[in-house]
Amino acid sequence: FMLTQPHSVSESPGKTVTISCAGSSGSIASNYVQWYQQRPGSAPTTVIYENNYRPSGVPDRFSGSIDISSNSASLTISGLKTEDEADYYCQSYDSRNGVFGGGTKLTVL
Amino acid sequence: EVQLVQSGAEVKKPGESLKISCKGSGYSFTSYWIGWVRQMPGKGLEWMGSIYPGDFDTRYNPSLQGQVSISVDKSLTTAYLHWSSLKASDTAMYYCVRHSPAVWHYDSWGQGTLVTVSS
Repeated sequence: FMLTQPHSVSESPGKTVTISCAGSSGSIASNYVQWYQQRPGSAPTTVIYENNYRPSGVPDRFSGSIDISSNSASLTISGLKTEDEADYYCQSYDSRNGVFGGGTKLTVL
Repeated sequence: EVQLVQSGAEVKKPGESLKISCKGSGYSFTSYWIGWVRQMPGKGLEWMGSIYPGDFDTRYNPSLQGQVSISVDKSLTTAYLHWSSLKASDTAMYYCVRHSPAVWHYDSWGQGTLVTVSS
């Protein structure tokens, strides 16, 4: 079971960006997908958990979704700010293993 | 407040053994899994394995099995990641994480332990 993300995306401040996370086998809807943000030199933090829930303190500019037809998950960030520039990782699991996507570097320029 | 506090940075030589630790506090330690996540320099996150302190059930990433071992001391609310013989390729940042039995959402992270293996 693997999760595949684009290596990098870039967008301008104020715009909207979507980062995809494609499942390799089975249904991505079988288990929840989480999204983590990692800024340089810091541990990752959750921005989306259980497909589409935001932890307290995460702005509602961040949203998550699942598309069963394409077997993929997506993280959408609207009203981009320079502070959103970071690496983003999707994560899920099967009956015995956790798995991360390869990560996507978001550049806000 | 849930906290995972990891042991400090280590510099070791190839072939040496090492055990790093992760102390949990602020929650029921035996009710959540503790996992370990590796991040090699400039690379992404990789789940290494997890242990459930309640019954010591342990899962390993199949690609890493045999290279490390994970243990826990419930009395100290501390989990460990152990190498018997380090390699230069073990140089990485290692994070411990907490997740529930039902949903593998890593909802709390340690601060990370940097392990450097160099001759």
